[in-house]
Amino acid sequence: EAQVTQNPRYLITVTGKKLTVTCSQNMNHEYMSWYRQDPGLGLRQIYYSMNVEVTDKGDVPEGYKVSRKEKRNFPLILESPSPNQTSLYFCASSSTREGNEQYFGPGTRLTVT
Amino acid sequence: GESVGLHLPTLSVQEGDNSIINCAYSNSASDYFIWYKQESGKGPQFIIDIRSNMDKRQGQRVTVLLNKTVKHLSLQIAATQPGDSAVYFCAENRAGGSNYKLTFGKGTLLTVNP
Repeated sequence: EAQVTQNPRYLITVTGKKLTVTCSQNMNHEYMSWYRQDPGLGLRQIYYSMNVEVTDKGDVPEGYKVSRKEKRNFPLILESPSPNQTSLYFCASSSTREGNEQYFGPGTRLTVT
Repeated sequence: GESVGLHLPTLSVQEGDNSIINCAYSNSASDYFIWYKQESGKGPQFIIDIRSNMDKRQGQRVTVLLNKTVKHLSLQIAATQPGDSAVYFCAENRAGGSNYKLTFGKGTLLTVNP
């Protein structure tokens, strides 16, 4: 089954404690992306990757890092989480750079206290 | 399920009616647009897309209309069903497809009454 998986699905952490949210896709897609979703703000792109070792900033990259060492994985790293990073995070992958037929993961609910 | 947003524009329709969801975009250079559906507790799902060299595109029960003059996009759902209840987002690719950078609208909550 074609899918994007994220782990963990739920995470409560404290300010400053480094964390990583993993993302993996089994569709051999070149393009992957991270979004955050906040009430009333829709989805905002954090980072995206157009291939292995190729990453670029989206609209809200501050406070986040990503890496793309393998085609299937695109982890999101918060080196020093802060409460304003409390959000619902989605990873996505796409076979095209336009983003049509983009597949989204199930989401990770992060709470930073 | 997860709440996907507060203070969203909302549209309430009767089952069987047609629905029209609107979206305004700001960047006249955007040349590729996508509509997504997000059900409660799930990630967004692709519905339909359209390029700026078109003004209309039809899918199964859905039609997207693009008016570049006023930078407006609409999604029409025919014979709306309870399963269509969800939040609908438009998204634009601001780089004309030269990269994978997408900007989403804030979404519209569609509620279908039986």
